[in-house]
Amino acid sequence: GAVVSQHPSRVICKSGTSVKIECRSLDFQATTMFWYRQFPKQSLMLMATSNEGSKATYEQGVEKDKFLINHASLTLSTLTVTSAHPEDSSFYICSAREAGLYSYEQYFGPGTRLTVT
Amino acid sequence: AQKVTQAQTEISVVEKEDVTLDCVYETRDTTYYLFWYKQPPSGELVFLIRRNSFDEQNEISGRYSWNFQKSTSSFNFTITASQVVDSAVYFCALSEIKAAGNKLTFGGGTRVLVKP
Repeated sequence: GAVVSQHPSRVICKSGTSVKIECRSLDFQATTMFWYRQFPKQSLMLMATSNEGSKATYEQGVEKDKFLINHASLTLSTLTVTSAHPEDSSFYICSAREAGLYSYEQYFGPGTRLTVT
Repeated sequence: AQKVTQAQTEISVVEKEDVTLDCVYETRDTTYYLFWYKQPPSGELVFLIRRNSFDEQNEISGRYSWNFQKSTSSFNFTITASQVVDSAVYFCALSEIKAAGNKLTFGGGTRVLVKP
């Protein structure tokens, strides 16, 4: 149980275009989903926290107009990188927290490798 | 603010050697969770352990063991009799406990290379 999927696993896009990454909780409902970015040989950095049905909370330094997050249902959150540039090339990982007051576990997706040319 | 420090950026060992990964954390919260994750070359994070701040018991799971010492704010991880398959990046992480959403703060990671 507790499986989180991400789609696509890899994507290459041209500079200036937008790309959408999906994060799905397959066998549980997730009230909260998190988006992380990981540059090569670096740690995971939290970008934003999204709660179902409300606006995402972005970490300091993350441009909310560039990284659009939508959490429209209890099983799906999307991250759209708008007007992508080569410096946005990174490994994007989502995680999902199961619904429930005493649920603290985060389940991670397999990640999406974005390359902007 | 929360902070997790993994002082060792890379450790290289020969198979069957033991390896200990250090993790030191900072938090103002009295209640929190500590985690260890493994990230193999494929990139997917593999959950290894979660420890509640109230539970200072050490834990052993097969070749893995963890030493949690609240007095020194450390949560160290030891791999006994390392194997080539243990080669990966290992992350220590700290989570606050809040109903609205528990953020994870990751350490910088330690790359472990086990040579045959």
